[in-house]
Amino acid sequence: DQQVKQNSPSLSVQEGRISILNCDYTNSMFDYFLWYKKYPAEGPTFLISISSIKDKNEDGRFTVFLNKSAKHLSLHIVPSQPGDSAVYFCAASAQSGNTGKLIFGQGTTLQVKP
Amino acid sequence: EAGVAQSPRYKIIEKRQSVAFWCNPISGHATLYWYQQILGQGPKLLIQFQNNGVVDDSQLPKDRFSAERLKGVDSTLKIQPAKLEDSAVYLCASSSLSSYNSPLHFGNGTRLTVT
Repeated sequence: DQQVKQNSPSLSVQEGRISILNCDYTNSMFDYFLWYKKYPAEGPTFLISISSIKDKNEDGRFTVFLNKSAKHLSLHIVPSQPGDSAVYFCAASAQSGNTGKLIFGQGTTLQVKP
Repeated sequence: EAGVAQSPRYKIIEKRQSVAFWCNPISGHATLYWYQQILGQGPKLLIQFQNNGVVDDSQLPKDRFSAERLKGVDSTLKIQPAKLEDSAVYLCASSSLSSYNSPLHFGNGTRLTVT
């Protein structure tokens, strides 16, 4: 049972344009969501997060939007840069249990073309 | 600060052989995780330690996988005997707090190929 889904395996955008990466989840107990970025041969690195009490969180060029009723979140990158080319993973956790366990989506490969 | 260290970076073994991976977390991080990432999928938690105690090992195939974290610092993950489907990248991660909103810091992983 895939509790966190990223339905787009890949995305290609032009440098300077907006990149929008999407993520859906099924478990209504999830109340904290994170995005990780992964370059080849490296481990994932934390990018941005959002609590379920918010619907938007912004950090520089990166903004995460959360729509709890639709169980959907998205990551916006504006403007996109070639260095943003990587695999992006959406992850979710639940305060219940309080273990820090993350459930990851399958990832979306972003390519930003110069 | 130094990141999460893992070794080896790559390992190729034949099925039914055994293999071990090592992880040293960020200094002072009490919580350590082992994740398995199969090609084309997201990381999946195998086991979580809080200091040297196991918090969650519900998805660890205990008939062939084992892990320990002696002295609450570094950790080893072992597979014995390996199967073809164990081919994956094994990621170690650590965090300073065992709370649901503490970002995990990942190592670069060990890529295992079972032939």
